[in-house]
Amino acid sequence: DAGVIQSPRHEVTEMGQEVTLRCKPISGHNSLFWYRQTMMRGLELLIYFNNNVPIDDSGMPEDRFSAKMPNASFSTLKIQPSEPRDSAVYFCASSLASTTDTQYFGPGTRLTVL
Amino acid sequence: GDSVTQMEGPVTLSEEAFLTINCTYTATGYPSLFWYVQYPGEGLQLLLKATKADDKGSNKGFEATYRKETTSFHLEKGSVQVSDSAVYFCALRYNQGGKLIFGQGTELSVKP
Repeated sequence: DAGVIQSPRHEVTEMGQEVTLRCKPISGHNSLFWYRQTMMRGLELLIYFNNNVPIDDSGMPEDRFSAKMPNASFSTLKIQPSEPRDSAVYFCASSLASTTDTQYFGPGTRLTVL
Repeated sequence: GDSVTQMEGPVTLSEEAFLTINCTYTATGYPSLFWYVQYPGEGLQLLLKATKADDKGSNKGFEATYRKETTSFHLEKGSVQVSDSAVYFCALRYNQGGKLIFGQGTELSVKP
């Protein structure tokens, strides 16, 4: 299996620009998670989906962030407009089910907002 | 609220030394506990887990025991290798929901 696929691996953009991060979960997995990793806050869950439906978005920092999962094999995390404090590594993870199964992480997208 | 606290790094050891990375947690219920490992430039990988008190998780020579009385889940390995150099994250999760709550991570560096 290919594992969780994220793109791009690195993104450098200027403040105010729209940024879209993409994730393809492992085939057959029903749950998808977006995490953010920063030096200041560590690893924190932003949002997760179960069967393409958002279940918990309490970690989404503000309205500039939005996430969608139009089908079982694709999800996006969008930041509009981006700010320098959004610079972080964004991880996508998937699991067979949200409650008990192992979460498999992608390699991450390193976002730098200048 | 629920939280996980790990010992600060970096931890630097010589090859074949004994490793302990401390992890304590605060939880309102009875979560499952996890150790994840992150190698440079990669995503996190599950190293081991324990789902209830007194369970011991083990994998690749690493082990950790779920201690409810001390709210701890310390990671140990008897003899580390250079290839164990990575960042280790302790985490908790309730079975009712998928959210993993992570500690801040502990960087381990093993020298030959």
